[in-house]
Amino acid sequence: EPEVTQTPSHQVTQMGQEVILRCVPISNHLYFYWYRQILGQKVEFLVSFYNNEISEKSEIFDDQFSVERPDGSNFTLKIRSTKLEDSAMYFCASTRQVPSQETQYFGPGTRLLVL
Amino acid sequence: AQSVAQPEDQVNVAEGNPLTVKCTYSVSGNPYLFWYVQYPNRGLQFLLKYITGDNLVKGSYGFEAEFNKSQTSFHLKKPSALVSDSALYFCAVRGNFNKFYFGSGTKLNVKP
Repeated sequence: EPEVTQTPSHQVTQMGQEVILRCVPISNHLYFYWYRQILGQKVEFLVSFYNNEISEKSEIFDDQFSVERPDGSNFTLKIRSTKLEDSAMYFCASTRQVPSQETQYFGPGTRLLVL
Repeated sequence: AQSVAQPEDQVNVAEGNPLTVKCTYSVSGNPYLFWYVQYPNRGLQFLLKYITGDNLVKGSYGFEAEFNKSQTSFHLKKPSALVSDSALYFCAVRGNFNKFYFGSGTKLNVKP
C-alpha cells in the first residue's frame, strides 16, 4: 500500500539554524499539508499546498516557514531560523483531491529538537 | 469554527472488554469526522471516517464509530479490546480547504 514518507525521522539543531524537513507524498496525490505536534499537545495545522502554491496557512506559519515542491515527488518544509518553541513532531500529509470525503494520509513524522 | 474535543486524556480497559473513546465536535455545516491512531514513534494512521449515510461507521482493526447528530458526538468503539490496541487515538474534523482540526488525543491502555 502506498504511503507518505518523511526524512529525517529525527533532527537536532541549534537555535537560529535553518532546517529542511522532507516529505514524499503518495504519488498520485495533489494536495499536501504540514502539521505539527508539540510534545503532549494536539496536532495543529500549519499549511496546505496545491498546484505549487499555498492554499491556506495558519497563524503559526509565519515568515520563518516556507514550503516548496522542488520536483515531482518531494514536498519540503523549511524553517529559516529555528526557535526553541519549534521543537515538535512535524507531520506531512497528502490527499488525492479535495472533495470533502477525502482522507488525509499522514507520514511517520520528523521529530525536531531545537537546542 | 470547527473543533473537536476528547474529554478523556486516558482510557483504561481490560483485554476482551468493550472500549469507547469519546469525541464531541462543533462544526458549522455538515460534519466530516475522522479517527486516527498513533502508535509510539509512528505517524497517524487512518481508522475510519464519517461523511454521510449510516450513523455506525466500520473501520480498520475492528473499530467502529457512532455518529450522533443530536449529541454532536462521534465516539470510537470496539466490542473486544486487544492489548495491541494500546495507542494514542485522535478524533478530527475536516474544516475549510480540507485542513483537519484534531482533538487533544486519548491514550488507550488495554491491560492483559
